[in-house]
Amino acid sequence: EVQLVESGGGLVQPGGSLRLSCAVSGFTFSNYWMTWLRQAPGKGLEWLANIKQDGSDKYYVESVRGRFTISRDNARNSLYLQMNGLRAGDTAVYYCARDRDGDFWFDLWGQGTLVTVSS
Amino acid sequence: SYELTQPFSVSVALGQTARITCGGHNIGSKNVHWYQQKPGQAPVLVIYKDSSRPSGIPERISGSNSVNTATLIISRAQAGDEADYYCQVWDISADVVFGGGTKLTVL
Repeated sequence: EVQLVESGGGLVQPGGSLRLSCAVSGFTFSNYWMTWLRQAPGKGLEWLANIKQDGSDKYYVESVRGRFTISRDNARNSLYLQMNGLRAGDTAVYYCARDRDGDFWFDLWGQGTLVTVSS
Repeated sequence: SYELTQPFSVSVALGQTARITCGGHNIGSKNVHWYQQKPGQAPVLVIYKDSSRPSGIPERISGSNSVNTATLIISRAQAGDEADYYCQVWDISADVVFGGGTKLTVL
């Protein structure tokens, strides 16, 4: 069974840090680009970052570049998002997803993990 | 930057055909993908590259794309089709772009 399971969300104060994880099973993780996206409460979807199969290429949306870092561990079938300098506007459900063929479309999604930035 | 425009809401009678549009400059030259999101759930890909269906998506869901408008078409609408629908493209100037989403109501 294909699964993407996010973890690591929670409540964090403004300026704080959080590391999200996405555990993957059911497909060969190392064959695919992977992506993080988010959805603020009651809002639409926003792409954040993606990473190439071997981790050699990474792309970020402007709003998180320099604050967030995407990484992966193919031996552990895991994707990560290190988030620093968190702001209230970063409050959202964060999803990991598989980029089907490296063309920026997402055929498998995790269930999401909620990050709340508040004092 | 690049923007995608979707209607905020669309209503369709049970068993009829719903059309959800996604407008963008020269969108016909791009690959458009559509996602369905039910309340409290993660998005699900329902159409990729304008008109292709992932496995498990029924044939009554289809897509088209031409000039400045892409369209998601849901035939024989069912109560289970009620959801938010998002279109998405990749643009060289803006990376991944999502439309604002359309809430589909089945009456």
